[in-house]
Amino acid sequence: EVQLVQSGPEVKKPGESLRISCKASGYTFTNYWIRWVRQMPGKGLEWMGIIYPADSDTKYSPSFQGQVTISADKSIDTAYLQWTNLTASDTAMYFCARDERTWGQGTLVTVSS
Amino acid sequence: DIVMTQFPDSLAVSLGERATIRCRSSQSLLHSSNNKNYLAWYQQKPGQPPKLLIYWASTRESGVPDRFSGSVSGTDFTLTISSLQAEDVAVYYCQQYYGIPRWTFGQGTKVEIK
Repeated sequence: EVQLVQSGPEVKKPGESLRISCKASGYTFTNYWIRWVRQMPGKGLEWMGIIYPADSDTKYSPSFQGQVTISADKSIDTAYLQWTNLTASDTAMYFCARDERTWGQGTLVTVSS
Repeated sequence: DIVMTQFPDSLAVSLGERATIRCRSSQSLLHSSNNKNYLAWYQQKPGQPPKLLIYWASTRESGVPDRFSGSVSGTDFTLTISSLQAEDVAVYYCQQYYGIPRWTFGQGTKVEIK
């Protein structure tokens, strides 16, 4: 079964750093792009960026360029989304997705002092 | 970038009645290589990831009830729920995947029971 399993909810303070993960199983990780999508509370879906795990080719939405880092470790079939300086506006649910039909369950990130 | 404009923002429909959601793209999503429109429709319920309903603008995903259908006319796309059921209460999104690898979503339409 093709599956993406994301890491658990996080509660952080402003200024802290964070890395969340998305572990793939049931397919060849290096053959498919992995996307990250943000959903702020009560809002819609926003495409953040994408990575090709085979060579770590990464592309970002202009809205997120410089704000987050997307990476992947093909030795453990896992993609990551990382922040170095969280702010309250990063509070959101974050989804990884392989394609239109394969999504992770989401990771809720809460940033609050 | 391709902009997706979805409407209405919300919709209240009686059980058993038809619900219609529309989405317009800022450019054609029809790829000449395969004559397919790169447009998907999703259903999202609270606390869950989006669930794929329709792809290629009108192809129903496996397991999706046939009361859900998609159609296209140029750059105008429509999702129709022919007979609304209680379990269809959700937010629905259109999404273009023509601009691969970039995705763009519509703003979402909240469907409720009248």
